[in-house]
Parts: sequence; structure tokens; C-alpha cells
Amino acid sequence: DTGVSQDPRHKITKRGQNVTFRCDPISEHNRLYWYRQTLGQGPEFLTYFQNEAQLEKSRLLSDRFSAERPKGSFSTLEIQRTEQGDSAMYLCASSYHGGQGLFFGSGTQLSVL
Amino acid sequence: ELKVEQNPLFLSMQEGKNYTIYCNYSTTSDRLYWYRQDPGKSLESLFVLLSNGAVKQEGRLMASLDTKARLSTLHITAAVHDLSATYFCAVDLDNTGTASKLTFGTGTRLQVTL
Repeated sequence: DTGVSQDPRHKITKRGQNVTFRCDPISEHNRLYWYRQTLGQGPEFLTYFQNEAQLEKSRLLSDRFSAERPKGSFSTLEIQRTEQGDSAMYLCASSYHGGQGLFFGSGTQLSVL
Repeated sequence: ELKVEQNPLFLSMQEGKNYTIYCNYSTTSDRLYWYRQDPGKSLESLFVLLSNGAVKQEGRLMASLDTKARLSTLHITAAVHDLSATYFCAVDLDNTGTASKLTFGTGTRLQVTL
């Protein structure tokens, strides 16, 4: 399978704990994106990378959130001191030059108790 | 700030009927995408519309883009139950040739009844 893969698929954690998600983009894609989706809403942009450079961060991305893409391949999204409001589906996507849009992974469903 | 609005938000239709979902956006762009999402699943790309007047068709779905009116439509012909899902439009403000961050609409939940 050469699609975007995310791990884990589900994560249940207690408030105040740290969590980390991983995303492996399609191999030839140089851009990688993180989105967050809550129930009944469209995905909201969080941040994106071109190769290893983080080019933009949304104001939704508080100081508790950090994303990395150290070698321009896979990326991690860490949430520190989780809050109940962080409960959402975290979606990763990748793209390449050519205007074919974003290709999304299956997402990580986070539940903060 | 770019705003993307879809209507209706919820659509219940009988099999065999036709209907259109509308997507309006507030800032000039000629790059618009349609996605489908099944419950608990990720987003599946349906159509990529990259210029004014673009029309794409796949099966019972047809999408069009009018950049002057800042409007895209997703037309459903002779709906079948398998089309039940949530449909999102998304607008891209990046004109460099590489898809950039997308701003999504609120989604239209389509329910096709037998």
C-alpha cells in the first residue's frame, strides 16, 4: 500500500498526558499536512511542511502542540498536557507538485478522558 | 479570511432522484476540490477543479466550477444508496502549482433512502 499511513488509529488518554502521532506520507510527496476534525465539522488546517521545513502553523496550534518532520519523510505530531477539547480526529495528508490536491490518511482518533 | 459555505448541510433524498449541492467561497480562487467521507473514515478525493468552467464527471456525480461567481456545484444524478456519505468542498488559495493548505466547507451529509 503506497497511501498515507497514520499510527495509531485510535488513542485514548487521560487529561494531562502527552501523546504523539505518526504520519508516513506517500513517498514521492514533498508536502505534508496536519488537520484536525471534530464531529460534524470539516477538517481544519493545523500546519504543513515542505520537505523538512515547517512553513505555516495555524493559530489553532497552541504551544502545547508541536510537529516535526526531521528528515523530510515521516512526521510526528505531539500534544502535551492534553485537554478534553483536544479530542478529535487528527488527519495527515500529503501532496506533490501537479495540482492533484491532498491525499489523506485514515486519521488518528484521539479521545481525552 | 477565506470562508467556504456549503448548502444544504443535510440532504435526504430518495433513490433515483437528482439533486445539487452548492459550495460558495469568499475569496478569489480557481482551485477547488471535492471529497467524500464515510462515517469514521478519512477523506476520499472525488474531483479536482483547476480552472473557471471546469467540469468533471464520475459515475452519478458531476462537479463544476464558476470562479467568477465563486461557486462550485456537485450534481447527483439518479441517486443510489451507496452515495450516502458526507461531501466536502475545499478551496486552495495557492496558485503555485502545488496543492497547499485547503479550507474546507462545513460538509453536506447526504442520506439516500430506498
